[in-house]
Amino acid sequence: QKEVEQNSGPLSVPEGAIASLNCTYSDRGSQSFFWYRQYSGKSPELIMSIYSNGDKEDGRFTAQLNKASQYVSLLIRDSQPSDSATYLCAVKEAGTASKLTFGTGTRLQVTL
Amino acid sequence: SQTIHQWPATLVQPVGSPLSLECTVEGTSNPNLYWYRQAAGRGLQLLFYSVGIGQISSEVPQNLSASRPQDRQFILSSKKLLLSDSGFYLCAWSASQGFWTFGQGTRLTVV
Repeated sequence: QKEVEQNSGPLSVPEGAIASLNCTYSDRGSQSFFWYRQYSGKSPELIMSIYSNGDKEDGRFTAQLNKASQYVSLLIRDSQPSDSATYLCAVKEAGTASKLTFGTGTRLQVTL
Repeated sequence: SQTIHQWPATLVQPVGSPLSLECTVEGTSNPNLYWYRQAAGRGLQLLFYSVGIGQISSEVPQNLSASRPQDRQFILSSKKLLLSDSGFYLCAWSASQGFWTFGQGTRLTVV
């Protein structure tokens, strides 16, 4: 059973601070990694994808991947109240284009 | 551009009643299609996926079934709903872009 683990939170950060969200996965052969944001009562929306070791930046968001440690993280700089949501880590299983395994998500609260 | 439509947005059904949720994708051909369920406060559970017309893979034994009668249509069904079928049902699609895009979801409450 492929697993994706996340701390459920809530992770509380003050407005303007950096939020750091972490995820570990069990399938060592996984090649594709995604971060989704889900507001309460809404469907998940893709915010970042990462395929290679290292960092990938997009605006205030930075995804980090370490395949040796089987670890993915998402940094949100200058956190805003509108960033308050649940962040889902998702991993595409190796050897198939057909399965994406999600973590249970980390709830982020950005406080004023 | 590609869009995904899922309906209805909310549904309240009595125990033992049938269910039919529909999902369609526009602007792409031969997408991979998925049904997920998200129970309250829990993660996304993959229920079914399809890589082509008539091709359905089931991930968990359950009271539900899925069908793909057309290339861009995916239907989730049940003959008799159980209380445990309550949840947030999400349809998603993927293709060459590599990531999954979700529909708006259906919140199902079985009473």
